[in-house]
Amino acid sequence: AQTVTQSQPEMSVQEAETVTLSCTYDTSESDYYLFWYKQPPSRQMILVIRQEAYKQQNATENRFSVNFQKAAKSFSLKISDSQLGDAAMYFCAYTSDNDMRFGAGTRLTVKP
Amino acid sequence: DTEVTQTPKHLVMGMTNKKSLKCEQHMGHRAMYWYKQKAKKPPELMFVYSYEKLSINESVPSRFSPECPNSSLLNLHLHALQPEDSALYLCASSPLGRGGRTDTQYFGPGTRLTVL
Repeated sequence: AQTVTQSQPEMSVQEAETVTLSCTYDTSESDYYLFWYKQPPSRQMILVIRQEAYKQQNATENRFSVNFQKAAKSFSLKISDSQLGDAAMYFCAYTSDNDMRFGAGTRLTVKP
Repeated sequence: DTEVTQTPKHLVMGMTNKKSLKCEQHMGHRAMYWYKQKAKKPPELMFVYSYEKLSINESVPSRFSPECPNSSLLNLHLHALQPEDSALYLCASSPLGRGGRTDTQYFGPGTRLTVL
């Protein structure tokens, strides 16, 4: 069964600094998608970044980038120039077929 | 437009009530989902409607009943709920990627349900 593991329940970063959130997953599939979602206290799940497994190049979206290591089954999220609005719960997610699996989440605090 | 709408935003119901949650998307997505999310936990998949076929998480009790009137709408009918069913209920939709795989899921704002 596919599983997603986020080993950092909580992380903290100073405003304008860089932080990296970790995610590992387990799968026997070769073709799948990986995502990072953000859920602020307002509760809506917002897509941060998406990675296709067959693409070697790491995805980037403005201040957000990933380090995708397919062989190691690792998918970390780097947030550069952290802003107060980045404070939220971050979920790593994996999908193949009809099912999306989420990690337990990492709560990110941004200190002014 | 990547908007998924959900109504109502909040719902309080007694254990003997019957109510429905509504989810709508106009992105032409072929798959829609219902999730249950408890505080500080990830969403748990309840139902998937994909290619006009319903898939059910077998652990979901029968007091939850999904209905898909058309490809843009997904309802969740609630009957005889228990206090432990109180949670945030999220709806999502997604296009289907290569090989019919689920691609990015776009979430609605959720319905906060309280069962008294």
